[in-house]
Amino acid sequence: GQQLNQSPQSMFIQEGEDVSMNCTSSSIFNTWLWYKQDPGEGPVLLIALYKAGELTSNGRLTAQFGITRKDSFLNISASIPSDVGIYFCAGQLGYGGATNKLIFGTGTLLAVQP
Amino acid sequence: DSGVTQTPKHLITATGQRVTLRCSPRSGDLSVYWYQQSLDQGLQFLIQYYNGEERAKGNILERFSAQQFPDLHSELNLSSLELGDSALYFCASSANRATAHTEAFFGQGTRLTVV
Repeated sequence: GQQLNQSPQSMFIQEGEDVSMNCTSSSIFNTWLWYKQDPGEGPVLLIALYKAGELTSNGRLTAQFGITRKDSFLNISASIPSDVGIYFCAGQLGYGGATNKLIFGTGTLLAVQP
Repeated sequence: DSGVTQTPKHLITATGQRVTLRCSPRSGDLSVYWYQQSLDQGLQFLIQYYNGEERAKGNILERFSAQQFPDLHSELNLSSLELGDSALYFCASSANRATAHTEAFFGQGTRLTVV
């Protein structure tokens, strides 16, 4: 199945550091989503982006929809131990019918040392 | 707790068998989505139903099928199981927006192991 390129694959940081991860695609997307998955749980939606260039924040999280519509990034500021988990980006091609499917990134594993 | 309930939580079965995974969406949600998460393929969207009708199809194998019932719960049927079908299967639901995955809430998943 198709997956988006997400980097880095993993990050090991100290509490209080800022984190940045990104996702790139060869396809143009109309929506970019960022999820966090804790062990044994389903993904939880963090941020949704709907327009090219859009910058959206959710607490310490900030995400941007790339101008080319082929990429997105997620920043986490002042990381804390509970930020540990796997972060996934996902792109939605369009609205309705066959384009109404989500393609996920390969995931970024974040470990935060207190 | 997302409000999406999936049963069973764990399932172990033999190759060639058939299983049914069940999903109860959040109260009032009309859309149900199924996803597969495996080590080699990552998270893959399988299929979406909206108010009983198939809305979008992803990377769902022909051996797999799904349906959404009048009470809005959904079932994912996996048949002629192979070792490679071992994975976490997630269901998600969202409110009235038939065309977007946004604001979809995930269940805790069913871990399927094929031996």
